[in-house]
Amino acid sequence: QQQVKQSPQSLIVQKGGISIINCAYENTAFDYFPWYQQFPGKGPALLIAIRPDVSEKKEGRFTISFNKSAKQFSLHIMDSQPGDSATYFCAARVTNSGYALNFGKGTSLLVTP
Amino acid sequence: DTAVSQTPKYLVTQMGNDKSIKCEQNLGHDTMYWYKQDSKKFLKIMFSYNNKELIINETVPNRFSPKSPDKAHLNLHINSLELGDSAVYFCASSMGQGAGSPLHFGNGTRLTVT
Repeated sequence: QQQVKQSPQSLIVQKGGISIINCAYENTAFDYFPWYQQFPGKGPALLIAIRPDVSEKKEGRFTISFNKSAKQFSLHIMDSQPGDSATYFCAARVTNSGYALNFGKGTSLLVTP
Repeated sequence: DTAVSQTPKYLVTQMGNDKSIKCEQNLGHDTMYWYKQDSKKFLKIMFSYNNKELIINETVPNRFSPKSPDKAHLNLHINSLELGDSAVYFCASSMGQGAGSPLHFGNGTRLTVT
């Protein structure tokens, strides 16, 4: 059962453009929403995370937008660069619950020069 | 300086064999995990240990058996390997399961069963 639904599956953006990846969830008990970035041959690494008490979090060129009522959150990558080409995973968890992080199915991002 | 290290990086074996994957973390974390990433890159939790005790055991065939000799190690033993076990297996660790404790992943072990 997929608890976090992610779209699109793949994305091609030109250098300098904005990359947008969307995720939706059903479990209203989720209280932690991280995004992970994975390069080929490497493990996923935390990129940015948000709690549901804020609607937006920005770190450099990366921004999470969170809509609690719609149960949706998204990752925006501003001024996308070829080095951003990777697979991005959204995830969600009920913290300190004994339940593991639930990952979306991933978005393969290609930023063209 | 590798924070979460897995060995081996690649594992090619025949159906029916038994194999083990080792994982060690030097971050001082108390919680460790095994995730399976399939050919479509979907990451699925298999097991989680906290202070050497099993806390998460998803629906995984009992051919898979994790072992945690101490907080810094979580090994995965797989018996009677099947073709469908081919995947990349990731070990990860965290300090507890709070929001302020992200998962740190190893670089994976690519298992190919022929």
